[in-house]
Amino acid sequence: EPEVTQTPSHQVTQMGQEVILRCVPISNHLYFYWYRQILGQKVEFLVSFYNNEISEKSEIFDDQFSVERPDGSNFTLKIRSTKLEDSAMYFCASSEILVMNTEAFFGQGTRLTVV
Amino acid sequence: KQEVTQIPAALSVPEGENLVLNCSFTDSAIYNLQWFRQDPGKGLTSLLLIQSSQREQTSGRLNASLDKSSGRSTLYIAASQPGDSATYLCAVKGSNTGKLIFGQGTTLQVKP
Repeated sequence: EPEVTQTPSHQVTQMGQEVILRCVPISNHLYFYWYRQILGQKVEFLVSFYNNEISEKSEIFDDQFSVERPDGSNFTLKIRSTKLEDSAMYFCASSEILVMNTEAFFGQGTRLTVV
Repeated sequence: KQEVTQIPAALSVPEGENLVLNCSFTDSAIYNLQWFRQDPGKGLTSLLLIQSSQREQTSGRLNASLDKSSGRSTLYIAASQPGDSATYLCAVKGSNTGKLIFGQGTTLQVKP
């Protein structure tokens, strides 16, 4: 069964460093998303991406964050100058073009720990 | 602003019981509602999707209902098993960009 794949599963980084989280969405999906879940809190939307541009972003998604689809398969989230409060589980998701009527499929997540 | 609330926050039942998890949302203008399962430290597994025009969806022992006008959804689990122990999240899609708004989840423990 097709699945969303995220790498790495766990990343530890020092405060102030840049990190890139990687995702391979399901191959025929055209909408891509990043969410995060701080330990013990709700899953929060960060950004949606379609047709090589951001279609919506939350107030969390400030200039520290960026997304990119560098090739036909990968979708990345870059966090510049990480802060302690960026420690969270980051989930990538994808869905087919019929946004309203289709499921979002999530990856297994990348646990980011900023020390 | 859409808010999604799930009650109870935690639930412990003996194996074999039927149970209901509740989800409420403040803005009834949604495209669909999705129920997910999350095991500790793991990702989100989609269980059921209910479109805004639907009243319920079933998958095996799971049945989800949607009452859009009152802003409520329920997830019914029949004949619960220890393997059902997990956190169950509901999420509503309220925009045409596909953004999901999540509840805080109900953590279910099914005791053998």
